[in-house]
Amino acid sequence: NAGVMQNPRHLVRRRGQEARLRCSPMKGHSHVYWYRQLPEEGLKFMVYLQKENIIDESGMPKERFSAEFPKEGPSILRIQQVVRGDSAAYFCASSPRTDYGYTFGSGTRLTVV
Amino acid sequence: KNQVEQSPQSLIILEGKNCTLQCNYTVSPFSNLRWYKQDTGRGPVSLTIMTFSENTKSNGRYTATLDADTKQSSLHITASQLSDSASYICVVADPAGNMLTFGGGTRLMVKP
Repeated sequence: NAGVMQNPRHLVRRRGQEARLRCSPMKGHSHVYWYRQLPEEGLKFMVYLQKENIIDESGMPKERFSAEFPKEGPSILRIQQVVRGDSAAYFCASSPRTDYGYTFGSGTRLTVV
Repeated sequence: KNQVEQSPQSLIILEGKNCTLQCNYTVSPFSNLRWYKQDTGRGPVSLTIMTFSENTKSNGRYTATLDADTKQSSLHITASQLSDSASYICVVADPAGNMLTFGGGTRLMVKP
């Protein structure tokens, strides 16, 4: 079991481009959570998904950000028209059920230049 | 608003010494409280998970305590090692276990 896999580890985008961050949960985990960690700040919840469903997106900006977790394949966090303020580490966590522990990926560090 | 406050923000100790990190929370009710260790550039790794009915949980040199009445938790590290240098994050989960509230973390540096 390879754990939670996130790719790419590092992503550089110019302002206005799109960023796609991928998260493959652990085998058997159907719950996926995305968090953002700004420099020198704590982790902030963005969105919680189960297979094909967004359960809670209260932490996600209303514009430019979207997330999906299709029936097949990884969960995708998509940021359109990136701005400098989007530069951060984005972490994905998965769990097999809601009352179980979470396993975090190593994160994707997005730099917007 | 649910909050998790950690102190101190940063801490420097000598190798071999003990230290205690604090976490105060307002999340209520809650299902469990977790302590994570986050090395620089890595994802958080779970150290302990305690439900509201547990008072203490150990994991090697790490011992977490929980006082649900005062809404306080602590993480005690014994005989610190250089590899303990990291951020330690206190996380409280809502009753459904879906919503995690993160503390800002304590940045620990262990010096030789």
